[in-house]
Amino acid sequence: DTGVSQNPRHKITKRGQNVTFRCDPISEHNRLYWYRQTLGQGPEFLTYFQNEAQLEKSRLLSDRFSAERPKGSFSTLEIQRTEQGDSAMYLCASSTGLAGGPRILNTQYFGPGTRLTVL
Amino acid sequence: GQSLEQPSEVTAVEGAIVQINCTYQTSGFYGLSWYQQHDGGAPTFLSYNALDGLEETGRFSSFLSRSDSYGYLLLQELQMKDSASYFCAVRVRAAGNKLTFGGGTRVLVKP
Repeated sequence: DTGVSQNPRHKITKRGQNVTFRCDPISEHNRLYWYRQTLGQGPEFLTYFQNEAQLEKSRLLSDRFSAERPKGSFSTLEIQRTEQGDSAMYLCASSTGLAGGPRILNTQYFGPGTRLTVL
Repeated sequence: GQSLEQPSEVTAVEGAIVQINCTYQTSGFYGLSWYQQHDGGAPTFLSYNALDGLEETGRFSSFLSRSDSYGYLLLQELQMKDSASYFCAVRVRAAGNKLTFGGGTRVLVKP
């Protein structure tokens, strides 16, 4: 399978615990994004990497959230001291910024997501 | 910031044509994308418009009018498998590559 993969697919945790999610993008993609989606809403941007550099972070993202992409390949998203409001689907997407026409450069490929439930 | 408006729900029968409108308010507009998402699934890219006009991809077409800050997705020859949520999303120049999504339009196709 050459698509975007995310692990775990589901995570149930108690309030106050830390959680970490992993995303493996499509191998040749140098751009990686994290989004959060709640039921009935569109995905909401969290952060963006180009290679290993985190180039943008949403102002809505609290200091409890941190993301890394240490070698420009996989990425991790950590949430510290989880709150019930963090319950959502966390989506990872990747895209190529290297070559191609507008359609290719602007296509983001999404993973299946990690569903987080905070009790 | 950016804001996008699209209808919350549309119902149609198999074989029909559905148009999903999207109006946006943003500065530094770069392009408008459309994504499909089935229940429990991941968003899947459908189309992208950066210039005015119509882009056709099989049964799906997307249109953009930059002067009107408006676009639409046209679903033709509707099939049951087209029942899903459809999101428009804008990319703005100042925002790098991030997408800002609308709230989504749920399309229900009936036999």
